[in-house]
Amino acid sequence: GENVEQHPSTLSVQEGDSAVIKCTYSDSASNYFPWYKQELGKRPQLIIDIRSNVGEKKDQRIAVTLNKTAKHFSLHITETQPEDSAVYFCAPPESLIFGTGTRLQVFP
Amino acid sequence: ETGVTQSPTHLIKTRGQQVTLRCSSQSGHNTVSWYQQALGQGPQFIFQYYREEENGRGNFPPRFSGLQFPNYSSELNVNALELDDSALYLCASSLDTAGVYGANVLTFGAGSRLTVL
Repeated sequence: GENVEQHPSTLSVQEGDSAVIKCTYSDSASNYFPWYKQELGKRPQLIIDIRSNVGEKKDQRIAVTLNKTAKHFSLHITETQPEDSAVYFCAPPESLIFGTGTRLQVFP
Repeated sequence: ETGVTQSPTHLIKTRGQQVTLRCSSQSGHNTVSWYQQALGQGPQFIFQYYREEENGRGNFPPRFSGLQFPNYSSELNVNALELDDSALYLCASSLDTAGVYGANVLTFGAGSRLTVL
């Protein structure tokens, strides 16, 4: 079955700094790569996604990059703000298996 | 357009009892997936239902079972409850249309928090 690994498990940054979270997958058939954000006590919500024929996608302060050869995709958050503090999950949708999650803390 | 709704929001059961959790999918969605999320952990995939049939299952014992109805709503049933079943149970709906960009993106409900004493 699909194996999804996410790094780092925790990440603390100062407000305004950048944050990068990496997700490694095993299923080469994966073609669609979403990132979900889960704030404390709330449901996971899709924040950005990318499909396999695109190397990078950007939406304001967040971006996702995909390296299909190496089988990993990364979430980039620039100019971090305290409201970015949450747990972030990657999830190749064909497998429905979520990564282990990254707890991001942004300190003012 | 309505989102995903789950009921009940909270419930308390004792070991050995049975529980049924309910989920109404987002309008236009035909697929429902269920997840178990223990405190401080990521969502663990239980199973998915598509067109009223189980369409994939995670590493959960048979006492976890489900149904999907013609209107695409779904139920999760857990028999012989154990203490470790205490968790937030999340339902997510999606539109399973192969080849369509954005298909299979999950829209989550707020969850049902189950406590087993």
